[in-house]
Amino acid sequence: NAGVTQTPKFQVLKTGQSMTLQCAQDMNHEYMSWYRQDPGMGLRLIHYSVGAGITDQGEVPNGYNVSRSTTEDFPLRLLSAAPSQTSVYFCASSYSRDSPYEQYFGPGTRLTVT
Amino acid sequence: RKEVEQDPGPFNVPEGATVAFNCTYSNSASQSFFWYRQDCRKEPKLLMSVYSSGNEDGRFTAQLNRASQYISLLIRDSKLSDSATYLCVAPQLGAGSYQLTFGKGTKLSVIP
Repeated sequence: NAGVTQTPKFQVLKTGQSMTLQCAQDMNHEYMSWYRQDPGMGLRLIHYSVGAGITDQGEVPNGYNVSRSTTEDFPLRLLSAAPSQTSVYFCASSYSRDSPYEQYFGPGTRLTVT
Repeated sequence: RKEVEQDPGPFNVPEGATVAFNCTYSNSASQSFFWYRQDCRKEPKLLMSVYSSGNEDGRFTAQLNRASQYISLLIRDSKLSDSATYLCVAPQLGAGSYQLTFGKGTKLSVIP
């Protein structure tokens, strides 16, 4: 199993550009989520999904869209990048949708918006 | 009050020392908690789950104090490889789903 994979590893965007961060898992996990991690702020939940076709907002959803068309994939779209979205983005998955079992994290995407 | 609060440290301890971290939480309905470990520039990984009876795994012991709403992580006989940031995590349960709230982390440096 590859676990949770994320692409790209690094990305530089200009203000106003859009892009999609890719996340995939091969463990047949129901629950998937996106976090951003900023110095001094810890990990903050952006969006999460409890199954294909179901998504919901986390703590900091503004400026981001998600979709879950398959169990495996959970892409995160930045609609119009802003310098405040410079961060490290982690995708995570977990076996169960209604019990907080172990979260498996991807290696992260380091995004810089200039 | 933030839902999960941790002392950011850093905790600088010599090899072989015992070190303990505390984490306070505000949601009294939370039933289980987690400690994750994050190495520099890496993703977080689960270290231990914490339930009402506590948990012990080798040199690591996690305890839950519901009355005072905190969880603790004790590391005995510290190794250089224990140097990392330790994240306290509390689930916020909803209808058929949950969200995880992470603390900002406590940084540990084990010194030779």
